[in-house]
Amino acid sequence: QVQLVQSGAEVKKPGASVKVSCGASGYTFTTYYMFWVRQAPGQGLEWMGIINPSSGNAVYAQRFQGRVTMTRDTSTSTLYMDLSSLRSDDTAVYYCARGGNLGYCSGGSCYAFDYWGQGTLVTVSS
Amino acid sequence: QSALTQPPSASGSPGQSVTISCSGTSSDVGGYNYVSWYQQYPGKAPKLMIYEVTKRPSGVPDRFSGSKSGNTASLTVSGLQAEDEADYYCSSYAGSNTYVVFGGGTKLTVL
Repeated sequence: QVQLVQSGAEVKKPGASVKVSCGASGYTFTTYYMFWVRQAPGQGLEWMGIINPSSGNAVYAQRFQGRVTMTRDTSTSTLYMDLSSLRSDDTAVYYCARGGNLGYCSGGSCYAFDYWGQGTLVTVSS
Repeated sequence: QSALTQPPSASGSPGQSVTISCSGTSSDVGGYNYVSWYQQYPGKAPKLMIYEVTKRPSGVPDRFSGSKSGNTASLTVSGLQAEDEADYYCSSYAGSNTYVVFGGGTKLTVL
């Protein structure tokens, strides 16, 4: 069965960076787009970016450009999300999620997230 | 402030039907048939309930249905059950600049 398992909670100081991992299993890692979505405490969901695990190409939401880097390691079927220059309002649960199949989806059809990781709480506090 | 507008709360009694709306613009909901709905229990990850406006993933009860009219999408839950009490979020594809936007979420209470 498809599983996405994320790394544990982090506590960081303002200005620091955090790297969250997401290990995928139960399917061919390089055949589905992957996404990162975050949720601040008591708030809604916010899309951060998309990565093609086959090519490694990533596109980021405008508000995170310059601060976020999404990478992958195909040898271990693991995704990484690196967020720098952390602020208190970056405190949130960060999720990885699987999107559409690279070979079948196009445009908006790639943006339905059928499997999610369990979430990683990142707390930014001085 | 979320890009898509949802009512903060909705409620219904067991067995009843409830509809949750999701209002956007012609740049997102109205422009594409790529609206999804997610169910989220407290402390848990979201679960995909509806995609491409009306489609249900395998395993999602047919009590859940989606629709769209103009710039507003809707999720209807029929035959409400206690386990349907959760937060529901809509999302929409928004083109190749914005990509995807979410609603602020609706807390569904089963009375």
